[in-house]
Amino acid sequence: GAGVSQSPSNKVTEKGKDVELRCDPISGHTALYWYRQSLGQGLEFLIYFQGNSAPDKSGLPSDRFSAERTGGSVSTLTIQRTQQEDSAVYLCASSLVGSRSGANVLTFGAGSRLTVL
Amino acid sequence: DQQVKQNSPSLSVQEGRISILNCDYTNSMFDYFLWYKKYPAEGPTFLISISSIKDKNEDGRFTVFLNKSAKHLSLHIVPSQPGDSAVYFCAAKASGGFKTIFGAGTRLFVKA
Repeated sequence: GAGVSQSPSNKVTEKGKDVELRCDPISGHTALYWYRQSLGQGLEFLIYFQGNSAPDKSGLPSDRFSAERTGGSVSTLTIQRTQQEDSAVYLCASSLVGSRSGANVLTFGAGSRLTVL
Repeated sequence: DQQVKQNSPSLSVQEGRISILNCDYTNSMFDYFLWYKKYPAEGPTFLISISSIKDKNEDGRFTVFLNKSAKHLSLHIVPSQPGDSAVYFCAAKASGGFKTIFGAGTRLFVKA
């Protein structure tokens, strides 16, 4: 696609329910990232994919969070047994090669706003 | 441990004047620094970057300055325009790594 697409744009759920957030990166971008922005906070790194593998999962806050990527394209971030502190905007980004050298500019989607009641 | 710090949550500037947004970092392994701009309900968009081998990079109205010894960088916008009103994120990346670390952002208000 032309840009990074995320769905749903808004999700309201009850505490304890599971949620899935989807990211469709720019076609041909091999690197995919998930970040989240809690109210009044900066962008917090969650996980990075190169192709279908995740070399860096260091930012996932707990074992309730998981992510997968299939076909080197679409990624799903799953939050199990949601808690109120999970409320945030979840941002997905992709880059062409996920380069170790160079600036590695990220293209972000508009985000999925999650509200846990 | 905040490796990238933006200590000013907000900044207000008159249209036509210079906007200066500051950023400090702690990790000496960072070798690329980027600025992203974010409008409400949109994702951040890349604005400008600088390599650690340079001390200045300019793109139109936007200039980024890097002071490696002080571990400090700044974004200058001249002249500021009302359309520049947004949240600006400073970000950094280390050579050999894939992770980009972001600061908390500075909200810029440019008054007409």
